[in-house]
Amino acid sequence: GAGVSQSPSNKVTEKGKDVELRCDPISGHTALYWYRQSLGQGLEFLIYFQGNSAPDKSGLPSDRFSAERTGGSVSTLTIQRTQQEDSAVYLCASSQSGIHYNEQFFGPGTRLTVL
Amino acid sequence: KQEVTQIPAALSVPEGENLVLNCSFTDSAIYNLQWFRQDPGKGLTSLLLIQSSQREQTSGRLNASLDKSSGRSTLYIAASQPGDSATYLCAVKASGTYKYIFGTGTRLKVLA
Repeated sequence: GAGVSQSPSNKVTEKGKDVELRCDPISGHTALYWYRQSLGQGLEFLIYFQGNSAPDKSGLPSDRFSAERTGGSVSTLTIQRTQQEDSAVYLCASSQSGIHYNEQFFGPGTRLTVL
Repeated sequence: KQEVTQIPAALSVPEGENLVLNCSFTDSAIYNLQWFRQDPGKGLTSLLLIQSSQREQTSGRLNASLDKSSGRSTLYIAASQPGDSATYLCAVKASGTYKYIFGTGTRLKVLA
């Protein structure tokens, strides 16, 4: 595929359940970002991966949120014990490398609804 | 702390008008600035990327300018079309970090 893909596109879950969101970056892109977009708000940075370096987790809102990136490619964002305030669109982006001049390319997002 | 503001929050214009969207940021120490469009229920599409050393970038009917010293960028859309209706977001990559800081966007509606 040519672009960033995310799955599922929509996820409805009950409060207290765990969810996993998946991101497949563009092939060859070493940098991967997760963002959250809540209704009426801007994009909120969550976590950044660059190659095999330790990720920048400084944007994760609580310890219920975690992410991993296996083999430098696919990434999974996990939210444990979901709360209603976790409802948002979760967007993934990748770029060719971590150097400062490269464009980010975004996936279509996963809309998470916590009932 | 870097903050990004976009004005106006919403804009409606008749088809054919030229228009300007504004983005301002509080810390001029940036690596680049990127403009995106977001259609309802979709992800973000990159429009233009301006490096910190550049003044402007052009793509088709779009022109983005950057004035780092005053903390401003503008996105100029010429001869607007209904298909331009979307939310436009700007994002800056702050110095010393890999993070992008996003504005809250301008919702544009171009009326046929």
